[in-house]
Amino acid sequence: NAGVTQTPKFQVLKTGQSMTLQCAQDMNHEYMSWYRQDPGMGLRLIHYSVGAGITDQGEVPNGYNVSRSTTEDFPLRLLSAAPSQTSVYFCASSQGLAETDTQYFGPGTRLTVL
Amino acid sequence: RKEVEQDPGPFNVPEGATVAFNCTYSNSASQSFFWYRQDCRKEPKLLMSVYSSGNEDGRFTAQLNRASQYISLLIRDSKLSDSATYLCVVNAGNFNKFYFGSGTKLNVKP
Repeated sequence: NAGVTQTPKFQVLKTGQSMTLQCAQDMNHEYMSWYRQDPGMGLRLIHYSVGAGITDQGEVPNGYNVSRSTTEDFPLRLLSAAPSQTSVYFCASSQGLAETDTQYFGPGTRLTVL
Repeated sequence: RKEVEQDPGPFNVPEGATVAFNCTYSNSASQSFFWYRQDCRKEPKLLMSVYSSGNEDGRFTAQLNRASQYISLLIRDSKLSDSATYLCVVNAGNFNKFYFGSGTKLNVKP
């Protein structure tokens, strides 16, 4: 049981490049989400999904796309990278959103956009 | 106004001290509440959920005050290993979104 896995761990991009951050979980969780964390700030929700085929926007969705074709996978696509997207990205999953549901986080992807 | 607000600290306390953090939330419809712990350059991990009646887990006590819209975390007998950033997390139920505070940094000194 690997929990939540993310790849890559580190990435450097040039402005305008595109890439996909991978996230997978093996706990059969319905809810998955992507966050970014910037210095001095909490985690901000980018996109989330409540099940396969269902996605929605969070607080800061601009410049990012997601899809959820399977329960296990929830990739995050940067369409045209900008320096403002330099951040640490965390993927998380949980069975639901109640106080009994723990969110499990992946180890994060540290992205630098030059 | 931010959905969730926390005092960023840092709180610098000696070993054995008792320390308390507060967190306020803006949406009165919020339904579930959590404290997460994040070590430097690591992912957040659940410390404890916060139940309406308050709950305790060893040295940690969490309280919820719905009328004033805040939650608190009390740490007794602080250990060096408690040094971390503590994140307050709130879910507004039908919005399917978790909102994180910016975190409160705790440094426990020998």
